[in-house]
Amino acid sequence: NAGVTQTPKFQVLKTGQSMTLQCAQDMNHNSMYWYRQDPGMGLRLIYYSASEGTTDKGEVPNGYNVSRLNKREFSLRLESAAPSQTSVYFCASSEGAAAFFGQGTRLTVV
Amino acid sequence: QQQVKQSPQSLIVQKGGIPIINCAYENTAFDYFPWYQQFPGKGPALLIAIRPDVSEKKEGRFTISFNKSAKQFSLHIMDSQPGDSATYFCAATRATGFQKLVFGTGTRLLVSP
Repeated sequence: NAGVTQTPKFQVLKTGQSMTLQCAQDMNHNSMYWYRQDPGMGLRLIYYSASEGTTDKGEVPNGYNVSRLNKREFSLRLESAAPSQTSVYFCASSEGAAAFFGQGTRLTVV
Repeated sequence: QQQVKQSPQSLIVQKGGIPIINCAYENTAFDYFPWYQQFPGKGPALLIAIRPDVSEKKEGRFTISFNKSAKQFSLHIMDSQPGDSATYFCAATRATGFQKLVFGTGTRLLVSP
């Protein structure tokens, strides 16, 4: 069972570059999420998609955009990366209250 | 209304000890309280969860205690082992309908041999 799959696992970007983080889930869940994790800050919600065709801002959406491509896939785009976006990014999906996380993408912006 | 406060930020116990991690919530609409365990380099994984109709839930060595009137819940790890060393997150949400998970800030647990 793959669960939630994120690509890439690691990425280094230069300031101003753009990139898209990919996420796919095979559990037929309606809801998907993007979080960032920084030391001492816990998990902060960037964007979420309650169901296919809808997306909404979370706590820290500035500098990011998302696309819910279909029920399986939810991508996160950084249009112009900044050093403040250096973080570990997690995608998650849920059906009901329990959420399942991917393995994360470690992003460094230099 | 949406916050979940978690303490302590870090915790060191000896093997066999009983670490206790505490969380408090504000929103009385929350009725599902999961705990997640995260090992270095991995995503958080659901460990155990409780609903407010019970005061305690055990799964193996992990126990959640729940105090509805105080709006607090805690995780106890019995007979802790070095392999339990991880970061633990509490969370709160609603069990039905769509409601985002609200996470605590995490507790880094180290169990020394």
